[in-house]
Amino acid sequence: DIQMTQSPSSLSASVGDRVTITCRASQTVSTYLNWYQQRPGKAPNLLIYAASSLQSGVPSRFSGSGSGTDFTLTISSLQPEDFATYYCQQSYRTPRTFGQGTKVEIK
Amino acid sequence: QVQLQESGPGLVKPSETLSLSCTVSGGSISSSYWSWIRQPAGKGLEWIGHFYTSGSPNYNPSLRSRVTMSLDTSKKQFSLKLNSVTAADTAVYYCAKENTWSLDYWGQGILVTVSS
Repeated sequence: DIQMTQSPSSLSASVGDRVTITCRASQTVSTYLNWYQQRPGKAPNLLIYAASSLQSGVPSRFSGSGSGTDFTLTISSLQPEDFATYYCQQSYRTPRTFGQGTKVEIK
Repeated sequence: QVQLQESGPGLVKPSETLSLSCTVSGGSISSSYWSWIRQPAGKGLEWIGHFYTSGSPNYNPSLRSRVTMSLDTSKKQFSLKLNSVTAADTAVYYCAKENTWSLDYWGQGILVTVSS
């Protein structure tokens, strides 16, 4: 299985901050890398697919980059509704695997 | 707008079979990958498996010996069966649609508790 490792596991930030979350794969996943946001009690919601493509309806403050084994999710200006847990997921191979999640909390 | 809705028992006894269905509305059930994912309380996401509407299912090796997925196109439903359940199978179970190798539509999730 391809292992996905996110860092940090949690972070505290203020509204308006720029936030960066990283995801590293144990082997190359090319650009088959997705990012999801999950609010408490809700299903995950797709933010970024294919490493850098913004899903329809997702605000442009979210962006993704990377290829191979190293990827980044950036929130350019954190908004109150962005406090949530974020997961990366590889879709290069089965079984699909997720990172352990990064919880973004209010400072 | 595709919508997915999980249904099934919320309580299953140990050693029995967990059976869930996912009803698809607002779109075709053909020509897509249909997935199941689960999440124990306070933990991360685990991919259970998926299948293409005209293909063979692909299961997570960690669960392969206990999992069966199937499709009923006439009802626009796909299903999950997980046998010989234990407390470790207690989780919120999600169904989802995989498109362009990402999970773009999810059900709201259903909590399944394994307990006697």
